[in-house]
Amino acid sequence: DAKTTQPPSMDCAEGRAANLPCNHSTISGNEYVYWYRQIHSQGPQYIIHGLKNNETNEMASLIITEDRKSSTLILPHATLRDTAVYYCIVTNNAGKSTFGDGTTLTVKP
Amino acid sequence: GAGVSQSPRYKVAKRGQDVALRCDPISGHVSLFWYQQALGQGPEFLTYFQNEAQLDKSGLPSDRFFAERPEGSVSTLKIQRTQQEDSAVYLCASSLFGRGSSYNEQFFGPGTRLTVL
Repeated sequence: DAKTTQPPSMDCAEGRAANLPCNHSTISGNEYVYWYRQIHSQGPQYIIHGLKNNETNEMASLIITEDRKSSTLILPHATLRDTAVYYCIVTNNAGKSTFGDGTTLTVKP
Repeated sequence: GAGVSQSPRYKVAKRGQDVALRCDPISGHVSLFWYQQALGQGPEFLTYFQNEAQLDKSGLPSDRFFAERPEGSVSTLKIQRTQQEDSAVYLCASSLFGRGSSYNEQFFGPGTRLTVL
């Protein structure tokens, strides 16, 4: 399984866009990029996923580079409730998913 | 409908005891995953079921760990002769489709926090 690299922590001002990067340089052609977030004492929550095209939903946007070796999760208008650990994972949907240690995003008023 | 539920939410065991952790996935979900999450770390994959078949158990750390899903719905993770290093949050997740689907969002339960004294 491809491994991912994320910065351990980031800060963002409330109301501003939060851009969370992820490197997945060993991703293979049939692997998807998924993003989850985990708020303290809860299970991870799905945010968005993509293969090679950029994606947008009601929560976030996902920008995947053309070579697919990295991606960025964008929260367009961060709120205090977006403070969480964000995980970028790659999976070939064959079952196993490998989480790293994620990025702790702190949204500050 | 209800999400993924896990029980118990908290479990304290003495070293050497056996424990059983239960996961009730979302009804109709084909895939079921177990993860172990140590404090301050991301979830680590333990095992994967597609219906009742255990297709991947490569993440189980030792033969003391055993998981089953006999009827393709409820799953139990059993840990025999618990040790202190087994202390962690055990997360269960289910997803609607099986292997090979291009869309496989995992829905996580709240986890069971196991503390081994």
